[in-house]
Amino acid sequence: DGGITQSPKYLFRKEGQNVTLSCEQNLNHDAMYWYRQDPGQGLRLIYYSQIVNDFQKGDIAEGYSVSREKKESFPLTVTSAQKNPTAFYLCASSILGAGEQFFGPGTRLTVL
Amino acid sequence: QKEVEQNSGPLSVPEGAIASLNCTYSDRGSQSFFWYRQYSGKSPELIMSIYSNGDKEDGRFTAQLNKASQYVSLLIRDSQPSDSATYLCAVNRANFGNEKLTFGTGTRLTIIP
Repeated sequence: DGGITQSPKYLFRKEGQNVTLSCEQNLNHDAMYWYRQDPGQGLRLIYYSQIVNDFQKGDIAEGYSVSREKKESFPLTVTSAQKNPTAFYLCASSILGAGEQFFGPGTRLTVL
Repeated sequence: QKEVEQNSGPLSVPEGAIASLNCTYSDRGSQSFFWYRQYSGKSPELIMSIYSNGDKEDGRFTAQLNKASQYVSLLIRDSQPSDSATYLCAVNRANFGNEKLTFGTGTRLTIIP
């Protein structure tokens, strides 16, 4: 089955810890994205990547880091510098130029 | 002014009626427009894309675009309880090299049996 997978589904973090969220796609899409969603709010873009080994900051990149070593994978690290990391994190991918983005199932991160 | 604006709702519609969801955007250079459905606790699911002025129909869903008025809407005919969800409007400038979508905050729709 083609699609986007994210793991884990739920993640609990202690304050001061870095955690890494996984995102993998087998759709052969060039572009990948990370969003954050807080209750009652829309999606806010954290980072995006249109090609391997290149990525750009989105609107709320502070406290986050990413890598794009493979076309299929775009992991997101939530660092201890992110002051309010509790949120629903969504990964998406798209064909360049198509506009349509398709989402993975999401990871719900809670800071204890 | 927000880049993409939606009425947050909740919008309550009787089962079998037409639900009308509206979205306005501020960037006149926007070229691509999308509607996503998001059930509570789940990720957004793409349900409609529209790129040119006019109507686009897909089953019970119709997307309407008016670029002059910077307005895009989604109509859901014969509304079903399973249509109860939050609907997100998303807009893209569609310049190659600028592939970002800008999302509205969503409209929560409830279909009343």
